[in-house]
Amino acid sequence: DGGITQSPKYLFRKEGQNVTLSCEQNLNHDAMYWYRQDPGQGLRLIYYSQIVNDFQKGDIAEGYSVSREKKESFPLTVTSAQKNPTAFYLCASSYALAANYGYTFGSGTRLTVV
Amino acid sequence: ILNVEQSPQSLHVQEGDSTNFTCSFPSSNFYALHWYRWETAKSPEALFVMTLNGDEKKKGRISATLNTKEGYSYLYIKGSQPEDSATYLCACDYGGATNKLIFGTGTLLAVQP
Repeated sequence: DGGITQSPKYLFRKEGQNVTLSCEQNLNHDAMYWYRQDPGQGLRLIYYSQIVNDFQKGDIAEGYSVSREKKESFPLTVTSAQKNPTAFYLCASSYALAANYGYTFGSGTRLTVV
Repeated sequence: ILNVEQSPQSLHVQEGDSTNFTCSFPSSNFYALHWYRWETAKSPEALFVMTLNGDEKKKGRISATLNTKEGYSYLYIKGSQPEDSATYLCACDYGGATNKLIFGTGTLLAVQP
C-alpha cells in the first residue's frame, strides 16, 4: 500500500544536540512538506520541496534544515539553534497541484528536549 | 500574514445530533480550501478540496460548502456518531507555484454515545 512514513514516533533530545526526523513516501508525489504543531496553534510550515534537489523555507524555518536528494525522502534536521524544539512534527506530500488532490500526511513525530 | 480561523474551538454533541462548524479565511487571492479529519493517534485524512464559489461536496454524512466572496466554508455532519469524534482542520491554498497550505487551529468534535 502507498503511504508516507515518519520515524521515530517519539524522540528525546538533549539540549545542544542536533536530531534528524525521517519522512519517506512511496506515493510518487512530487512535493513534500514539514509542519510543526504547538498547543493552541494551527500547523505551521517549516520547509517544503516541490522537486528533488530543491526546497524552500516556510514560515518558521529558523533552526531547521532539510535535504531532498531523492523524490521519496525529505528528512528534517532540528539543530541546536532551534530555541524551542519541543513540538509535534508532521510530514506531508502531494502531487504538484495540491489544490486538486490534497495532502497525504504521515503519523507524526513527537520531539521532546530534555 | 494570512490567518485562517475556525470556530468553535471545540464541540461536544450527543450521538444522533447534527452539527456544523465554520472556517473563515481572507478571500483575496484565494485558490482552494481543504478540509481534513484528524483522529487521535492517526494521520490527518483529506475530506474535501474545494475551489469554486458555491462548491458543495458530500461524503456520506459529511458535507461542506464554500463561499469565496465572503471568505468562509461550513462543514456539516448529519446524525453524528462516536466515530466522527476527531479534530477537523481547515486549510487554504493561495495559489502561486508553491501549493503551500495555511491551516486553521481546528475544531475538536466529541460525540457522546
